[in-house]
Amino acid sequence: EPEVTQTPSHQVTQMGQEVILRCVPISNHLYFYWYRQILGQKVEFLVSFYNNEISEKSEIFDDQFSVERPDGSNFTLKIRSTKLEDSAMYFCASSEQGPNTEAFFGQGTRLTVV
Amino acid sequence: AQSVTQLDSQVPVFEEAPVELRCNYSSSVSVYLFWYVQYPNQGLQLLLKYLSGSTLVESINGFEAEFNKSQTSFHLRKPSVHISDTAEYFCAVSDMGRTAGNKLTFGGGTRVLVKP
Repeated sequence: EPEVTQTPSHQVTQMGQEVILRCVPISNHLYFYWYRQILGQKVEFLVSFYNNEISEKSEIFDDQFSVERPDGSNFTLKIRSTKLEDSAMYFCASSEQGPNTEAFFGQGTRLTVV
Repeated sequence: AQSVTQLDSQVPVFEEAPVELRCNYSSSVSVYLFWYVQYPNQGLQLLLKYLSGSTLVESINGFEAEFNKSQTSFHLRKPSVHISDTAEYFCAVSDMGRTAGNKLTFGGGTRVLVKP
């Protein structure tokens, strides 16, 4: 069964460092997403990506964040200069076209900023 | 904008007992409704969804949820739980008026612990 894969499963980084979280979406999917869940809080939408550009982003997704699909298979989330409050579980997801199609989620990357 | 409230953060339940997880939403537009499940150390998996038609939807593993428009609710039920149902359950909505993509707004999650 096709699945979304994320690497690494856990990343520890020092405050101020850049991190890149990696995802391989399902191959025939067209939409890609990042969500995050701060410990004890809700899963929050960060950004959606379609046709090699951001289609929508939340208020959380400020200039410190960027996304890229560098090679047609990977989908990455970069945090330029990490803050303590960026510590969270980050989920990648992908879906076929359409608002009622299922979003398939990866297992998540737990980011810890120290 | 939408918001989703799951009233119970944790629900302990004995094996073979029934369980109900409550979900209420608020939205100025019509929405699609979803329940996702997260088993330990795994990602979010779609359990069931309501798009249109019959307000009662079922999953392959015995869960069902009923959309109640007047009460803006989408409660999840299972008449008899198994140990393997131990997981966290997330209710989510998506704006029906979207032309593309699937941006989900999640509730806070309900952790179900099934005891033998």
